[in-house]
Amino acid sequence: AQKVTQAQTEISVVEKEDVTLDCVYETRDTTYYLFWYKQPPSGELVFLIRRNSFDEQNEISGRYSWNFQKSTSSFNFTITASQVVDSAVYFCALSEATAGGSYIPTFGRGTSLIVHP
Amino acid sequence: DAGVTQSPTHLIKTRGQQVTLRCSPKSGHDTVSWYQQALGQGPQFIFQYYEEEERQRGNFPDRFSGHQFPNYSSELNVNALLLGDSALYLCASSSNRVYQETQYFGPGTRLLVL
Repeated sequence: AQKVTQAQTEISVVEKEDVTLDCVYETRDTTYYLFWYKQPPSGELVFLIRRNSFDEQNEISGRYSWNFQKSTSSFNFTITASQVVDSAVYFCALSEATAGGSYIPTFGRGTSLIVHP
Repeated sequence: DAGVTQSPTHLIKTRGQQVTLRCSPKSGHDTVSWYQQALGQGPQFIFQYYEEEERQRGNFPDRFSGHQFPNYSSELNVNALLLGDSALYLCASSSNRVYQETQYFGPGTRLLVL
């Protein structure tokens, strides 16, 4: 069975601080996909990144960066110089490779990030 | 390019009633998945529709059923509503023509069961 753990329920920072959101996953599959989504108060899940299990390269996109470490089954997300607009709930998710070619992600419980001005 | 749309945005029902939620996928997408997100939780997969058939199903009772139409839009039906069905229901679409394409989510329907 797949499982995603986001141990941080809520994080509060002041604008311009760096913040790291932790994600630990469990799976028996050798091929799998990891995701991060952002959910603002409006409710819509916004896709941020997808990583497959064979690609352990870290990725940077603007102020966002992701650290994937298979050895510790972690896929952490760092926001550099946080802004008030980053305030949202962030979900880490895991999906096996399905025969139909479509993801069925298992989500963590989310981390609520509050960025104060 | 219109994204995933859902209707209604909010809904209030009483226990025992039935509800139908609707979803229009992103243009070019043919696969629709439904998720239930209880307050303070992550989304949980209900089922996925492709070619008007249920392709995969999560751990939800038969009270939850769905349908996909020829234009790829979809409905989620919940019968005999329980208080515990109160949640945000999210629809996500993707393209089966693109291998392992990421799902795009709609804004959701907030259902409150009294």
